[in-house]
Amino acid sequence: EPEVTQTPSHQVTQMGQEVILRCVPISNHLYFYWYRQILGQKVEFLVSFYNNEISEKSEIFDDQFSVERPDGSNFTLKIRSTKLEDSAMYFCASRGGEGVKKYFGPGTRLTVT
Amino acid sequence: EDQVTQSPEALRLQEGESSSLNCSYTVSGLRGLFWYRQDPGKGPEFLFTLYSAGEEKEKERLKATLTKKESFLHITAPKPEDSATYLCAVQVQGAQKLVFGQGTRLTINP
Repeated sequence: EPEVTQTPSHQVTQMGQEVILRCVPISNHLYFYWYRQILGQKVEFLVSFYNNEISEKSEIFDDQFSVERPDGSNFTLKIRSTKLEDSAMYFCASRGGEGVKKYFGPGTRLTVT
Repeated sequence: EDQVTQSPEALRLQEGESSSLNCSYTVSGLRGLFWYRQDPGKGPEFLFTLYSAGEEKEKERLKATLTKKESFLHITAPKPEDSATYLCAVQVQGAQKLVFGQGTRLTINP
C-alpha cells in the first residue's frame, strides 16, 4: 500500500519562529491537502492544492500560512510566525483523482512554547 | 453551515459484542461521506466512501450504511484490534475539503 510520509514527526518551536512542515505525497497523486487536529478536537481542513495553486482554503489558513510544492515530490506547509494556538497535529493528505480515496500521512506534532 | 455529529463519544464493548456507531450530518449538498479509523498518534486511515442514500459497503467486521441524514458503522463480533477512534467526514458538492465529526472512541475488551 502506498504511503504519505511526513517529517519531522515532532517539532518544538518558540512563539514567533517560522516552521516548515514537510510531506511527501504518493508519487502519482495530483491533489494535496493539509489538515490539523488540536488535541482533543476535530480534524480541521486548512488548504487544498492542485495544479500548483491553492484550490480551496479555510478561515484558519490566513496570511501566516503558506504552501509550496518546490519539486516533483515534496509538499510543504510554512507557518511564518508561530503562535501558541498553532500547537496541533498537522496531517498531510493526497489524492490521485476525482472520486478516489484520500490518503493521510502519520502527522507532525507541532508544539509552540 | 455544514455539520457532522458522531455518537456516542466513547463506546466500550466486550469482544464479540456487536454494535453501531452513528454519524449525523447536515450539509448543503452531499458529494460523499467517508469513514476513517484513527489510532493514537497516527493519521486517519481510510475505511469507506458512501455516495448516495441506500448505499452499503463492507470490509471484514465493518459495514457502513448511508441515509439522507445519517450514516452508521456497524461492527460485528469485534476484536480487541478494532479498538480505535472512528471518524466520519463529509465532502460537500463543489468543495475539496472534508468536514469531520469529533469521532467515536471505541474500546474492545478481551
